[in-house]
Amino acid sequence: DIQMTQSPSSLSASVGDRVTITCRASQNIGNFLNWYQQKPGKAPNLLIYAAARLQTGVPSRFSGTGFGTEFNLTISSLQPEDFATYYCQESYTTPPFYTFGQGTKLEI
Amino acid sequence: QLQLQESGPGLVKPSETLSLICSVSGDSISNDDYYWGWIRQPPGKGLEWIGNVYYSGSTYHNPSLNRRVIIALDTSKNQFSLRLPSVTAADTAIYYCARDLFRIFPHRFDPWGQGILVSVSS
Repeated sequence: DIQMTQSPSSLSASVGDRVTITCRASQNIGNFLNWYQQKPGKAPNLLIYAAARLQTGVPSRFSGTGFGTEFNLTISSLQPEDFATYYCQESYTTPPFYTFGQGTKLEI
Repeated sequence: QLQLQESGPGLVKPSETLSLICSVSGDSISNDDYYWGWIRQPPGKGLEWIGNVYYSGSTYHNPSLNRRVIIALDTSKNQFSLRLPSVTAADTAIYYCARDLFRIFPHRFDPWGQGILVSVSS
């Protein structure tokens, strides 16, 4: 099974800061990596797919990089609505068998 | 606009079967461009993929659940379902359904239903 490890588990930042969250895969997964944002009491929302592609409607301050085993989600200038929990998810295995990272809570 | 809505009992007794339905509006579950998936989240914890179903009826599930997960389509109602037998307190979670897109780019879940909290307790 592929293991996904996010760091840090939690992060304190301020409005306007640039922040980066890292996700590491236990094996090479190419660009088969997605990022989701989850706000309290809400369902996750897709931000980035295929490691670097911005989902329609997601602000351009969000960006994704990486390939293989190490991936980053960067928010260039934090806005108040960005404080949430972020999850990475691999979709490398065929047939489908998905693993999520444990999450990164971004706090003010 | 595609929308998904979970429904089912919010309370299930231990050893009984958890049964949920995901109602889809705005697109057909018979569309071969998608899978349809179930994901769960224990209170205060992370996300766990449960399984997927394809328009053909083919299903895939997380073997770590260690028992038979049943996911099925009801094309007449444009719904898909989840059955999880022999539940324990560890199955208490928010259960989400979601569309799994895979054409052109790798699989990703979008959109998600709002989720339904299922508690396992006597």
